Amino acid sequence: DIQMTQSPSTLSASVGDRVSITCRASQSISSWLAWYQQKPGKAPKFLIYEASSLESGVPSRFSGSGSGTEFTLTISSLQPDDFATYYCQQYYSFPTFGQGTKVEIK
Amino acid sequence: EVRLVESGGDLVQPGGSLRLSCSASGFTFSDYSMHWVRQAPGKGLEYVSGISTNGGSTYYADSVKGRFTVSRDNSKNTLDLQMSSLTTEDTAVYYCVKGSSSFAPSDAFDIWGQGTMVTVSS
Repeated sequence: DIQMTQSPSTLSASVGDRVSITCRASQSISSWLAWYQQKPGKAPKFLIYEASSLESGVPSRFSGSGSGTEFTLTISSLQPDDFATYYCQQYYSFPTFGQGTKVEIK
Repeated sequence: EVRLVESGGDLVQPGGSLRLSCSASGFTFSDYSMHWVRQAPGKGLEYVSGISTNGGSTYYADSVKGRFTVSRDNSKNTLDLQMSSLTTEDTAVYYCVKGSSSFAPSDAFDIWGQGTMVTVSS
C-alpha cells in the first residue's frame, strides 16, 4: 500500500494566519489526492480533490497544490471555523489516509 | 439533499458478529461506488471496504479481509457491512461513504454519513 505522511502533526496558529500542511506519498500518485476536514465528534468533510480542485461550497481560502509525491493544503487566512484536523488521502491505488494534522489555536 | 444514514452499531463481545447498514438518499445510488471507512477512538481514518456500482466487485483492507463482507442493494439504496470474528481492534466509528465517481476502490469520498459506533469488548 502507498503510505501517506503528513507534517506537521500539530500546527498552532492564530486567526488570520496563512497556514500550510504538507502530505507526502511513498510513491508517485500523480494528482490523485484528496483533502478532508474533521471536527471533534463529526464526520470528515470533503474539501479538495485531484490535488487542487475545490469541492463545491468550500471557501476559496482553501487551496491545494502539488503532484507526484508532495502536496500542500493551504488556508490563506485562518478563520475560527477552520480549527480542526485535516487528512490527506490518496486514490491512485487502494485508498490510504495520512495520519492527520491538527490545527489548533495559538 | 444527499444523505447517508448508518445504523447497526452496538457493543459486541470478541468473536461476535454485527451487521451495519447504510441508507442513501438524494442521489442516484447505483451510479457511484460506495465504501466504509472507520476511525478508532482518538485515531485517524482507515479505509475498510468498498464496492463497485453493480456490486460485482468488492475490496477489503488486509485487516478485515476474510472477516467482513460488503454488499449493496441498488433497488433499496442500501449498503451493508457484515462483520464477523470481531476483535477489540475493530472498535471504531464506522462511516458509510459515497465515492465521487463510479470507480472502486480508488476514489475520493465526497459524502460521509454521521457514523455508527462499534465497540468490541467483553
